Amino acid sequence: EVQLLESGGGLVQPGGSLRLSCAASGFTFSSYAMSWVRQAPGKGLEWVSAISGSGGSTYYADSVKGRFTISRDNSKNTLYLQMNSLRAEDTAVYYCAKDALFLTGYYDAFDIWGQGTMVTVSS
Amino acid sequence: DIQMTQSPSSLSASVGDRVTITCRASQSISSYLNWYQQKPGKAPKLLIYAASSLQSGVPSRFSGSGSGTDFTLTISSLQPEDFATYYCQQSYSTPKTFGQGTRLEIK
Repeated sequence: EVQLLESGGGLVQPGGSLRLSCAASGFTFSSYAMSWVRQAPGKGLEWVSAISGSGGSTYYADSVKGRFTISRDNSKNTLYLQMNSLRAEDTAVYYCAKDALFLTGYYDAFDIWGQGTMVTVSS
Repeated sequence: DIQMTQSPSSLSASVGDRVTITCRASQSISSYLNWYQQKPGKAPKLLIYAASSLQSGVPSRFSGSGSGTDFTLTISSLQPEDFATYYCQQSYSTPKTFGQGTRLEIK
Protein backbone atom coordinates (compact mmCIF):
# COMPACT_ATOMS: atom_id res chain seq x y z
CA GLU A 1 0.00 0.00 0.00
CA VAL A 2 1.26 3.43 -0.95
CA GLN A 3 1.54 5.47 2.22
CA LEU A 4 3.01 8.66 3.66
CA LEU A 5 3.31 9.14 7.41
CA GLU A 6 4.30 12.50 8.88
CA SER A 7 5.75 13.05 12.33
CA GLY A 8 7.55 15.71 14.34
CA GLY A 9 4.83 18.27 14.87
CA GLY A 10 4.14 19.91 18.20
CA LEU A 11 4.08 23.11 20.20
CA VAL A 12 7.06 25.47 19.80
CA GLN A 13 7.74 29.03 20.91
CA PRO A 14 8.10 31.87 18.41
CA GLY A 15 11.64 31.91 17.08
CA GLY A 16 12.06 28.21 17.76
CA SER A 17 12.81 25.29 15.46
CA LEU A 18 11.17 22.02 14.54
CA ARG A 19 11.96 19.23 12.08
CA LEU A 20 9.16 17.35 10.38
CA SER A 21 9.61 13.90 8.85
CA CYS A 22 7.56 12.04 6.29
CA ALA A 23 8.13 8.29 5.93
CA ALA A 24 7.16 6.87 2.56
CA SER A 25 6.28 3.28 1.68
CA GLY A 26 4.78 1.32 -1.18
CA PHE A 27 6.47 3.15 -4.07
CA THR A 28 9.95 3.91 -5.40
CA PHE A 29 10.55 6.99 -3.30
CA SER A 30 13.60 8.27 -5.18
CA SER A 31 11.67 8.41 -8.46
CA TYR A 32 9.30 11.13 -7.34
CA ALA A 33 9.45 14.76 -6.38
CA MET A 34 7.86 15.47 -3.02
CA SER A 35 6.21 18.54 -1.52
CA TRP A 36 5.06 19.99 1.77
CA VAL A 37 1.66 21.67 1.85
CA ARG A 38 0.23 23.36 4.94
CA GLN A 39 -3.21 24.36 6.14
CA ALA A 40 -3.72 26.92 8.89
CA PRO A 41 -6.70 26.26 11.18
CA GLY A 42 -9.93 26.93 9.29
CA LYS A 43 -8.03 28.11 6.19
CA GLY A 44 -7.16 26.82 2.74
CA LEU A 45 -4.19 24.90 1.39
CA GLU A 46 -0.80 26.58 0.92
CA TRP A 47 2.08 24.97 -0.98
CA VAL A 48 5.25 25.36 1.11
CA SER A 49 8.19 23.60 -0.53
CA ALA A 50 9.18 20.92 -3.03
CA ILE A 51 12.22 18.77 -3.76
CA SER A 52 13.19 16.73 -6.80
CA GLY A 53 13.56 12.97 -6.67
CA SER A 54 17.33 13.15 -6.44
CA GLY A 55 17.23 15.99 -3.94
CA GLY A 56 19.27 18.17 -6.23
CA SER A 57 16.59 20.81 -6.76
CA THR A 58 14.55 22.53 -4.09
CA TYR A 59 11.81 25.15 -4.20
CA TYR A 60 10.18 27.34 -1.55
CA ALA A 61 7.23 29.65 -1.06
CA ASP A 62 8.29 33.23 -0.40
CA SER A 63 6.64 33.00 3.03
CA VAL A 64 9.18 30.41 4.23
CA LYS A 65 12.24 31.10 2.08
CA GLY A 66 15.36 31.46 4.20
CA ARG A 67 13.69 29.90 7.26
CA PHE A 68 12.64 26.41 6.09
CA THR A 69 14.82 23.75 4.46
CA ILE A 70 13.46 20.73 2.61
CA SER A 71 15.60 17.62 2.24
CA ARG A 72 15.27 13.89 1.67
CA ASP A 73 17.12 10.68 2.44
CA ASN A 74 16.35 8.25 -0.35
CA SER A 75 18.12 5.42 1.48
CA LYS A 76 15.59 5.83 4.29
CA ASN A 77 12.58 6.72 2.09
CA THR A 78 12.09 9.81 4.20
CA LEU A 79 11.32 13.46 3.47
CA TYR A 80 12.17 16.23 5.92
CA LEU A 81 11.26 19.84 6.58
CA GLN A 82 13.56 21.78 8.89
CA MET A 83 11.70 24.81 10.18
CA ASN A 84 13.66 27.62 11.87
CA SER A 85 12.70 31.08 13.14
CA LEU A 86 9.11 29.94 13.49
CA ARG A 87 6.33 32.51 13.62
CA ALA A 88 2.73 32.40 14.82
CA GLU A 89 1.61 32.46 11.19
CA ASP A 90 3.41 29.14 10.60
CA THR A 91 0.80 27.43 12.81
CA ALA A 92 -0.84 24.82 10.59
CA VAL A 93 -1.29 21.18 9.75
CA TYR A 94 1.64 20.19 7.54
CA TYR A 95 1.06 17.55 4.88
CA CYS A 96 3.66 15.81 2.78
CA ALA A 97 2.53 14.89 -0.71
CA LYS A 98 3.85 12.76 -3.56
CA ASP A 99 4.15 14.59 -6.83
CA ALA A 100 2.98 12.21 -9.54
CA LEU A 101 3.54 12.64 -13.24
CA PHE A 102 0.71 11.99 -15.69
CA LEU A 103 0.22 11.81 -19.46
CA THR A 104 3.80 10.82 -20.34
CA GLY A 105 5.19 13.10 -17.66
CA TYR A 106 3.81 16.30 -19.04
CA TYR A 107 1.49 17.05 -16.12
CA ASP A 108 1.92 16.67 -12.38
CA ALA A 109 -0.37 16.57 -9.36
CA PHE A 110 -0.27 15.53 -5.73
CA ASP A 111 -1.72 12.03 -5.85
CA ILE A 112 -0.81 10.71 -2.40
CA TRP A 113 -0.99 12.71 0.84
CA GLY A 114 -0.02 11.94 4.41
CA GLN A 115 -2.44 12.37 7.29
CA GLY A 116 -0.76 15.60 8.39
CA THR A 117 1.09 16.74 11.50
CA MET A 118 0.08 19.79 13.52
CA VAL A 119 2.58 22.55 14.24
CA THR A 120 1.58 25.20 16.78
CA VAL A 121 3.77 28.26 17.28
CA SER A 122 2.81 30.02 20.48
CA SER A 123 4.33 31.33 23.68
CA ASP B 1 3.03 34.18 -8.68
CA ILE B 2 -0.13 32.85 -10.32
CA GLN B 3 -3.29 33.62 -8.35
CA MET B 4 -6.14 31.11 -8.38
CA THR B 5 -9.67 32.34 -7.66
CA GLN B 6 -12.57 29.97 -7.06
CA SER B 7 -16.25 30.76 -7.15
CA PRO B 8 -18.43 30.46 -5.31
CA SER B 9 -16.70 30.30 -1.91
CA SER B 10 -19.60 28.23 -0.60
CA LEU B 11 -22.52 26.47 -2.14
CA SER B 12 -25.62 24.73 -0.80
CA ALA B 13 -27.10 21.90 -2.84
CA SER B 14 -29.22 18.79 -2.52
CA VAL B 15 -28.51 15.13 -3.20
CA GLY B 16 -29.02 14.53 -6.91
CA ASP B 17 -28.26 18.12 -7.96
CA ARG B 18 -25.79 19.01 -10.70
CA VAL B 19 -23.11 21.34 -9.31
CA THR B 20 -20.45 23.43 -11.03
CA ILE B 21 -17.47 25.11 -9.35
CA THR B 22 -15.35 27.62 -11.24
CA CYS B 23 -11.63 28.35 -10.97
CA ARG B 24 -9.87 31.25 -12.68
CA ALA B 25 -6.12 31.72 -13.04
CA SER B 26 -4.48 35.16 -13.09
CA GLN B 27 -2.60 34.17 -16.28
CA SER B 28 -2.81 31.37 -18.80
CA ILE B 29 -1.85 27.98 -17.36
CA SER B 30 -2.79 25.86 -20.40
CA SER B 31 -4.28 22.67 -18.89
CA TYR B 32 -2.04 22.57 -15.82
CA LEU B 33 -4.98 22.52 -13.42
CA ASN B 34 -5.84 19.98 -10.73
CA TRP B 35 -8.87 19.55 -8.47
CA TYR B 36 -8.88 18.14 -4.96
CA GLN B 37 -11.59 17.19 -2.48
CA GLN B 38 -11.07 17.59 1.25
CA LYS B 39 -13.33 16.38 4.04
CA PRO B 40 -13.07 17.74 7.60
CA GLY B 41 -10.04 16.45 9.46
CA LYS B 42 -8.77 14.54 6.41
CA ALA B 43 -6.04 15.05 3.85
CA PRO B 44 -6.98 16.31 0.39
CA LYS B 45 -7.76 13.74 -2.31
CA LEU B 46 -6.88 14.19 -5.98
CA LEU B 47 -9.97 14.11 -8.23
CA ILE B 48 -8.94 15.60 -11.58
CA TYR B 49 -5.53 16.31 -13.12
CA ALA B 50 -4.56 18.11 -16.31
CA ALA B 51 -7.89 19.96 -16.21
CA SER B 52 -10.05 17.09 -17.41
CA SER B 53 -8.45 13.71 -16.63
CA LEU B 54 -10.17 11.67 -13.93
CA GLN B 55 -7.85 10.21 -11.30
CA SER B 56 -8.04 6.44 -10.94
CA GLY B 57 -10.82 5.34 -8.60
CA VAL B 58 -12.73 8.62 -8.70
CA PRO B 59 -16.41 8.25 -9.65
CA SER B 60 -17.38 9.30 -13.18
CA ARG B 61 -19.92 11.83 -11.86
CA PHE B 62 -16.91 14.13 -11.39
CA SER B 63 -15.63 15.91 -14.49
CA GLY B 64 -13.38 18.82 -15.27
CA SER B 65 -13.06 21.16 -18.20
CA GLY B 66 -11.33 24.31 -19.35
CA SER B 67 -7.97 25.59 -20.49
CA GLY B 68 -6.06 28.84 -20.41
CA THR B 69 -7.48 30.80 -17.48
CA ASP B 70 -10.98 29.44 -16.90
CA PHE B 71 -11.80 26.00 -15.54
CA THR B 72 -14.79 24.15 -14.08
CA LEU B 73 -15.38 21.15 -11.88
CA THR B 74 -18.78 19.54 -12.34
CA ILE B 75 -20.49 16.94 -10.20
CA SER B 76 -23.30 15.53 -12.30
CA SER B 77 -25.47 14.10 -9.52
CA LEU B 78 -24.48 14.92 -5.95
CA GLN B 79 -24.12 12.03 -3.54
CA PRO B 80 -24.09 12.34 0.27
CA GLU B 81 -20.34 11.62 0.36
CA ASP B 82 -19.60 14.56 -1.98
CA PHE B 83 -20.30 17.23 0.61
CA ALA B 84 -16.79 18.56 1.24
CA THR B 85 -14.47 21.42 0.33
CA TYR B 86 -13.00 21.52 -3.17
CA TYR B 87 -9.73 23.17 -4.20
CA CYS B 88 -8.21 23.90 -7.57
CA GLN B 89 -4.42 24.07 -7.94
CA GLN B 90 -2.17 25.12 -10.78
CA SER B 91 0.89 23.05 -11.62
CA TYR B 92 2.10 25.35 -14.42
CA SER B 93 4.76 27.05 -12.33
CA THR B 94 6.24 27.24 -8.84
CA PRO B 95 4.78 28.21 -6.38
CA LYS B 96 2.03 25.71 -7.11
CA THR B 97 -0.80 27.84 -5.83
CA PHE B 98 -4.23 26.67 -4.69
CA GLY B 99 -7.56 28.39 -4.93
CA GLN B 100 -9.16 29.49 -1.68
CA GLY B 101 -11.60 26.57 -1.71
CA THR B 102 -15.31 26.03 -2.29
CA ARG B 103 -17.31 24.58 0.57
CA LEU B 104 -20.16 22.40 -0.67
CA GLU B 105 -22.89 22.04 1.93
CA ILE B 106 -26.13 20.12 2.15
CA LYS B 107 -29.25 22.21 1.52
